Amino acid sequence: ETGVTQTPRHLVMGMTNKKSLKCEQHLGHNAMYWYKQSAKKPLELMFVYNFKEQTENNSVPSRFSPECPNSSHLFLHLHTLQPEDSALYLCASSQDPKRALGNQPQHFGDGTRLSIL
Amino acid sequence: GQQLNQSPQSMFIQEGEDVSMNCTSSSIFNTWLWYKQDPGEGPVLLIALYKAGELTSNGRLTAQFGITRKDSFLNISASIPSDVGIYFCAGTNTGNQFYFGTGTSLTVIP
Repeated sequence: ETGVTQTPRHLVMGMTNKKSLKCEQHLGHNAMYWYKQSAKKPLELMFVYNFKEQTENNSVPSRFSPECPNSSHLFLHLHTLQPEDSALYLCASSQDPKRALGNQPQHFGDGTRLSIL
Repeated sequence: GQQLNQSPQSMFIQEGEDVSMNCTSSSIFNTWLWYKQDPGEGPVLLIALYKAGELTSNGRLTAQFGITRKDSFLNISASIPSDVGIYFCAGTNTGNQFYFGTGTSLTVIP
């Protein structure tokens, strides 16, 4: 599925580096999400944006900073990460359930595999 | 946060066999989703369920929205090697906040 594109696919960084993850959706959706996927744990929702406005922040540390310049693009800025932040970071998009007729399935990108040295 | 219990955790089956897995939650949902994730890729939506009791098929896959609204089931008939992967359930009552199960890892032995 190429509707949601994430770059880079793999990222290795030191704890003092600053990097950004990028997500772009081509599905005409207006809600975008960041998830963290760690081994043997359920997907953890990090941030939700509806029509470019952040509507959810699930107690995510400030070393993760999201940015949503428009409904098609979502960024996750990373700064002074910890080793436990190593994981697969998944972006998803959907129609905004508040404006659509009922809950809408989320469509995922292939993720960025992040490793913190 | 909301916990979804997904079982079994892993399955090893012979090609051609049928597969069943389920997901239960401690609270009521109004939407259930089933995803499949292959190694190195993101989850791909298989089936979406919106009404209690609903039974929906997608090829050899059939999913049901439990009548209590606290569970859902996924069945795969006549499994083939490309069914290998991790299957996730997800549920919500609010739309934006989907809760995910820990996944069922399926291995199909040719």
